[in-house]
Amino acid sequence: GAVVSQHPSWVICKSGTSVKIECRSLDFQATTMFWYRQFPKQSLMLMATSNEGSKATYEQGVEKDKFLINHASLTLSTLTVTSAHPEDSSFYICSAPDWQGANQPQHFGDGTRLSIL
Amino acid sequence: QKEVEQDPGPLSVPEGAIVSLNCTYSNSAFQYFMWYRQYSRKGPELLMYTYSSGNKEDGRFTAQVDKSSKYISLFIRDSQPSDSATYLCAMRWGGGSNYKLTFGKGTLLTVNP
Repeated sequence: GAVVSQHPSWVICKSGTSVKIECRSLDFQATTMFWYRQFPKQSLMLMATSNEGSKATYEQGVEKDKFLINHASLTLSTLTVTSAHPEDSSFYICSAPDWQGANQPQHFGDGTRLSIL
Repeated sequence: QKEVEQDPGPLSVPEGAIVSLNCTYSNSAFQYFMWYRQYSRKGPELLMYTYSSGNKEDGRFTAQVDKSSKYISLFIRDSQPSDSATYLCAMRWGGGSNYKLTFGKGTLLTVNP
């Protein structure tokens, strides 16, 4: 089945640094990918929709300049958390719909645990 | 009222029990319904994906959709300790490629050996 790979799985860094998270579709092309954020014991909250070759679409309340999204190819989307602060610590997950068939469900990566000290 | 309501539990059952997980929703535009399983510190894993009302079975799992009542269920038969995880229901509008999922809060399930 479709596989979505996310890297790194865990990152710890100092406040003020920028962190880049990669999301790859391994055996299918993804013109659209989604980025979610999940706090402990909470559900997934959609942050933005990443579109190959065009600007990302951000959900209300998500800072575009804080969370930079780039979707440079059909298999790779990146999320950069700029000037990260402790409140940005969270579990970030990407997903992509499988285009091997119409109206296919989303497949998720294993997430990136971000800890800002 | 939230678009998708799901009892967060926690739910604890003995091994071999039948587990029933449920979600209700308010938006009649939802057409596709999914159940995901999420282990701790992992991404959600797709379990079931349904479109129409009725039942869909896959091994020990049965997904049930009642669009008239705006109610979906996931049944797990002969539950195993390895089924211990958080179960998330998710829904989306129909058609196209740029679609968004709306998730329930997730139900934490523990199956005790």
